[in-house]
Amino acid sequence: GQQVMQIPQYQHVQEGEDFTTYCNSSTTLSNIQWYKQRPGGHPVFLIQLVKSGEVKKQKRLTFQFGEAKKNSSLHITATQTTDVGTYFCAASSGSRLTFGEGTQLTVNP
Amino acid sequence: GAGVSQSPRYKVTKRGQDVALRCDPISGHVSLYWYRQALGQGPEFLTYFNYEAQQDKSGLPNDRFSAERPEGSISTLTIQRTEQRDSAMYRCASSLGGAQSSYEQYFGPGTRLTVT
Repeated sequence: GQQVMQIPQYQHVQEGEDFTTYCNSSTTLSNIQWYKQRPGGHPVFLIQLVKSGEVKKQKRLTFQFGEAKKNSSLHITATQTTDVGTYFCAASSGSRLTFGEGTQLTVNP
Repeated sequence: GAGVSQSPRYKVTKRGQDVALRCDPISGHVSLYWYRQALGQGPEFLTYFNYEAQQDKSGLPNDRFSAERPEGSISTLTIQRTEQRDSAMYRCASSLGGAQSSYEQYFGPGTRLTVT
């Protein structure tokens, strides 16, 4: 089945530093979704990317979908303590989602 | 409005017992999904429904696991003859869309299952 690999597994940053997580697939993806899970919480949808080369922004978050639709990234500018959590990419195949392992972000104030 | 709810939130059971986990999706959502999430990992797909029809159950680990959604709303995931390896967080999610569509999924708080 479809697999997505996420790196890094963990990232520790000082507040104000930038953060990026990467999601890679060996196969072409129809679309990709990103979710955030706070410690002790449940995954919450952030965004969906569909088009090749698509870039979407949400305040300090920038999401990209690769030209070949095999990779994606999430970049956070000037992290804040509220950004703490695990960020998952999820590849969709029809209605089914395959989640990556996630990148756990900690932010030191 | 109300989100996805799951019950019980915590379940401790002895090995060999059957358990039933309930999911109440957002009203009007066509699709309902079950996932299992181990600590430090992403949700792992188990099965999903469109309305009352189980569209894909390929993620169910073995035949001790089953799910139903008889009226196209509430769903129950049943694990028979539980084993310690079944211990995990079981999450339910729902979305607007039907077959061959990809919509954002709304997750419930999960049921933490511990098999002793």
